[in-house]
Amino acid sequence: GENVEQHPSTLSVQEGDSAVIKCTYSDSASNYFPWYKQELGKRPQLIIDIRSNVGEKKDQRIAVTLNKTAKHFSLHITETQPEDSAVYFCAASARGSTLGRLYFGRGTQLTVWP
Amino acid sequence: DTEVTQTPKHLVMGMTNKKSLKCEQHMGHRAMYWYKQKAKKPPELMFVYSYEKLSINESVPSRFSPECPNSSLLNLHLHALQPEDSALYLCASSLPATRTGELFFGEGSRLTVL
Repeated sequence: GENVEQHPSTLSVQEGDSAVIKCTYSDSASNYFPWYKQELGKRPQLIIDIRSNVGEKKDQRIAVTLNKTAKHFSLHITETQPEDSAVYFCAASARGSTLGRLYFGRGTQLTVWP
Repeated sequence: DTEVTQTPKHLVMGMTNKKSLKCEQHMGHRAMYWYKQKAKKPPELMFVYSYEKLSINESVPSRFSPECPNSSLLNLHLHALQPEDSALYLCASSLPATRTGELFFGEGSRLTVL
């Protein structure tokens, strides 16, 4: 099955700086790559996703890039704010996999210091 | 309505108790999921229902028993649980497996087994 690796496991940045979280995947059939943000005690919430026919996608301060050849994708957060502090999970879903099943990375605890 | 609703939000039970977790969605999604999540770890898939039929059981112990009475409801029946089963139980739904897409998570039921 798919194996998703996520780095770093913890990331601390100063408010206003950028944060980058990287993930790699193993199954070349994967075609959907969402990123979830989970604040303490809350549900995971989708913040951005990308499909394999696109190399980059932006939504305000958040962007995701995908390199299919290298099988890696990254989350970029610019102008970080304290409310960006949360655990971020990347995931991958393989085309043709049962029920669009998601394989999650192990998560990155992002802390933004004011 | 873009919500997945879970009840109860918190549950404390003894190892001999029988209880149930409930999940409801009215987005017309035909795939519904149960995930288990420990603190600061990624969600772990337990069960998947597709069109009200159990499609995936990730080798979950029989003390967890899922049920999908109709396309909007998903239950997880709990019996003779162990303290290590204490976790956040997340219900999710998505479009059917014909395409990969967003998982919509409920707020979760936080379970404590004494």
